[in-house]
Amino acid sequence: DAGITQSPRYKITETGRQVTLMCHQTWSHSYMFWYRQDLGHGLRLIYYSAAADITDKGEVSDGYVVSRSKTENFPLTLESATRSQTSVYFCASKSGTNYEQYFGPGTRLTVT
Amino acid sequence: AQSVTQPDIHITVSEGASLELRCNYSYGATPYLFWYVQSPGQGLQLLLKYFSGDTLVQGIKGFEAEFKRSQSSFNLRKPSVHWSDAAEYFCAVGGGSSASKIIFGSGTRLSIRP
Repeated sequence: DAGITQSPRYKITETGRQVTLMCHQTWSHSYMFWYRQDLGHGLRLIYYSAAADITDKGEVSDGYVVSRSKTENFPLTLESATRSQTSVYFCASKSGTNYEQYFGPGTRLTVT
Repeated sequence: AQSVTQPDIHITVSEGASLELRCNYSYGATPYLFWYVQSPGQGLQLLLKYFSGDTLVQGIKGFEAEFKRSQSSFNLRKPSVHWSDAAEYFCAVGGGSSASKIIFGSGTRLSIRP
């Protein structure tokens, strides 16, 4: 199906483990984004990418790593998960000529 | 620096009543403004956007918003709410040299009283 998908939708992991959240879009949008959503903070930008192999940090990038080898995929990796990274993570994409971002359904991550 | 303030964390209105959700922004140039809605367990959906032109913009689901430059506001309104409007609403601002990024407010949770 066309659109933007995230996997897994729910994940429980332990402190110190590496975990990767996947994001896939079928629109060939050039821009992709990762946000985290925490109560009282709205959505905060973790990383974004303007095109394949071009990524840049957002306001809360510490502890996260991204890659973008293909336009349609934008995985987010927590190299050594901490409890403070318990959150809901949203991926979004947009075309280069449009300001509107399209959001995935989110991944709820719990770090124990 | 860009910022967005949604002063109301939680609002409850009766079904059929009118609604206004407040949003104030701080931005050095002409902002691009957005309202998104998030239903429980879902991602965000764009309700409406303002880039330029008419300061009263119409969106989906019967929502509208008015850009007031003098007040740095972009309040969201609906004349008559439905139970299905219960959700979290986010205002966002972007534009200029950071055109690829937008800043979100902390959100307002809307509850509907039967």
